[in-house]
Amino acid sequence: IAGITQAPTSQILAAGRRMTLRCTQDMRHNAMYWYRQDLGLGLRLIHYSNTAGTTGKGEVPDGYSVSRANTDDFPLTLASAVPSQTSVYFCASSVGGYTFGSGTRLTVV
Amino acid sequence: GQNIDQPTEMTATEGAIVQINCTYQTSGFNGLFWYQQHAGEAPTFLSYNVLDGLEEKGRFSSFLSRSKGYSYLLLKELQMKDSASYLCAVDAGNNRKLIWGLGTSLAVNP
Repeated sequence: IAGITQAPTSQILAAGRRMTLRCTQDMRHNAMYWYRQDLGLGLRLIHYSNTAGTTGKGEVPDGYSVSRANTDDFPLTLASAVPSQTSVYFCASSVGGYTFGSGTRLTVV
Repeated sequence: GQNIDQPTEMTATEGAIVQINCTYQTSGFNGLFWYQQHAGEAPTFLSYNVLDGLEEKGRFSSFLSRSKGYSYLLLKELQMKDSASYLCAVDAGNNRKLIWGLGTSLAVNP
């Protein structure tokens, strides 16, 4: 692993299903973030974590949850997916500037 | 409130110079970032300014005026591969959560 790894790369999900997007970093950064990016709306922060064991809500947290059991992993869970959660999801970590994962393209149908 | 403004789209010609502006109004300021994002890819770091003035890095330069709440990214000797979205982001001192502009989509034509 070099940097941030996200999985899956893309997914088509039936509405109402539960899904976890995975994010792992090997840079030992304390701060991690989940963003969604939608055309015309830019990057919007969903949840963040300043250090292992702590999480916080961003601009658009409804319908999403996160956990931070250790420094490296920061999974994002959609408890019951809805079509409005169709988006590209980016995980990022930070020590100053941000390093982004390659993204997960999620389509909820 | 917190706000970042940048033009939505710009067009330039291969070999030319283009300047992408960013103005910001934030409650605090710990630095300004520029990121490049090619279509279908993740944003990648280009530059960071915390003090007034020009920072040069190869074909790319970034300028900051804190008193004016203004920055620009200057791209010289444009290449086709510079066609991308350029995102301006400010660290307003809120636990390292950046405030993002919507991005400027730059098209470089032959």
